[in-house]
Amino acid sequence: AQSVTQPDIHITVSEGASLELRCNYSYGATPYLFWYVQSPGQGLQLLLKYFSGDTLVQGIKGFEAEFKRSQSSFNLRKPSVHWSDAAEYFCAVGTFGNEKLTFGTGTRLTIIP
Amino acid sequence: GAVVSQHPSWVICKSGTSVKIECRSLDFQATTMFWYRQFPKQSLMLMATSNEGSKATYEQGVEKDKFLINHASLTLSTLTVTSAHPEDSSFYICSATPPTGQETQYFGPGTRLLVL
Repeated sequence: AQSVTQPDIHITVSEGASLELRCNYSYGATPYLFWYVQSPGQGLQLLLKYFSGDTLVQGIKGFEAEFKRSQSSFNLRKPSVHWSDAAEYFCAVGTFGNEKLTFGTGTRLTIIP
Repeated sequence: GAVVSQHPSWVICKSGTSVKIECRSLDFQATTMFWYRQFPKQSLMLMATSNEGSKATYEQGVEKDKFLINHASLTLSTLTVTSAHPEDSSFYICSATPPTGQETQYFGPGTRLLVL
């Protein structure tokens, strides 16, 4: 069965600093990988996804993620965070032909001035 | 594109009553919709998968008689919490997948249910 691990429950970053959120997955075949963001009391918004091809994926709001098969990782990065980036971030894994997603436990991002 | 709405956004009801939550795909037809439950500061828990024109598939441990799901059209799925109790209070989120790129789910804004 597939699984997703987000090792960091809570991360605090200064506004303007760089950000990296970690995500590790467990799956035998090539996974489909997603990052979603959830603002308080809201649903989830898709930031980016990886299915195949270029392992560096660009998303919305200046985010990017890199798929590293050797490390079973799909870390999310942003070079300079903004106060509006404060939210909960979820990594998820899916598989070809299976519409279900497995979510990580989430990482809460706090931005300090 | 790929916008999903939910209604209502929040609801308060008395214990023992039933509550219906609607999930609509606004700009695409969704052959599959999903219903999740999220407890405070926790991840999403998949409750069921809803396919248009067929019975929903429930995850293990989810009471199908309590959480009735109807996927009546390609743009609408409903979740009815029957005989609600305080322990059913939660944040319910739906998602939908378009016919192409079915592995990508687009989420609604969620419905907060409070049962008194």
